[in-house]
Amino acid sequence: ILNVEQSPQSLHVQEGDSTNFTCSFPSSNFYALHWYRWETAKSPEALFVMTLNGDEKKKGRISATLNTKEGYSYLYIKGSQPEDSATYLCAFNTDKLIFGTGTRLQVFP
Amino acid sequence: DVKVTQSSRYLVKRTGEKVFLECVQDMDHENMFWYRQDPGLGLRLIYFSYDVKMKEKGDIPEGYSVSREKKERFSLILESASTNQTSMYLCASSWGTSGEQFFGPGTRLTVL
Repeated sequence: ILNVEQSPQSLHVQEGDSTNFTCSFPSSNFYALHWYRWETAKSPEALFVMTLNGDEKKKGRISATLNTKEGYSYLYIKGSQPEDSATYLCAFNTDKLIFGTGTRLQVFP
Repeated sequence: DVKVTQSSRYLVKRTGEKVFLECVQDMDHENMFWYRQDPGLGLRLIYFSYDVKMKEKGDIPEGYSVSREKKERFSLILESASTNQTSMYLCASSWGTSGEQFFGPGTRLTVL
């Protein structure tokens, strides 16, 4: 069974702090790595789909890196804001998506 | 904007009832998926479909079936609901097998 692990499980930070979390996935049979943001009472929304080893993607204050050889991806949030509070999910893409359990981020004003 | 809609946000059913969860997407996506989300567990794939009238079992298909008669609509069926099927159910659609998935708002199903 393919396993995707995310750490930490939850994170509480102050507004303005920068933060990062990790997604670990199998390094074989890699097609893509997805990151989603899931805000309470909303639908999960895609942040990034990453396919190439060494890839770095950025959307505003959020960025992600990918290492397919060692099987991990980092998500960084620079200068966290209360509106960044959400659960961040990563998913390993084979012929379907295998999701991690997520990192729940709370940003306090 | 891609829109994925689900027929109900909240649903309460009794054990043994037949339950239909409907999902409709408006972007002509080929692929559609049904997941369930439970506390402490990631999104788990129940069934998926790559084309009309096609269906594939996901990781936890037991107790569920699906129907895809039209490209835009993917239905999840609980033949005889049980309390362990109380969960949040999410539908998603995508282009291709590596495309980002677009999710519906979810249906929180409670089986009493």
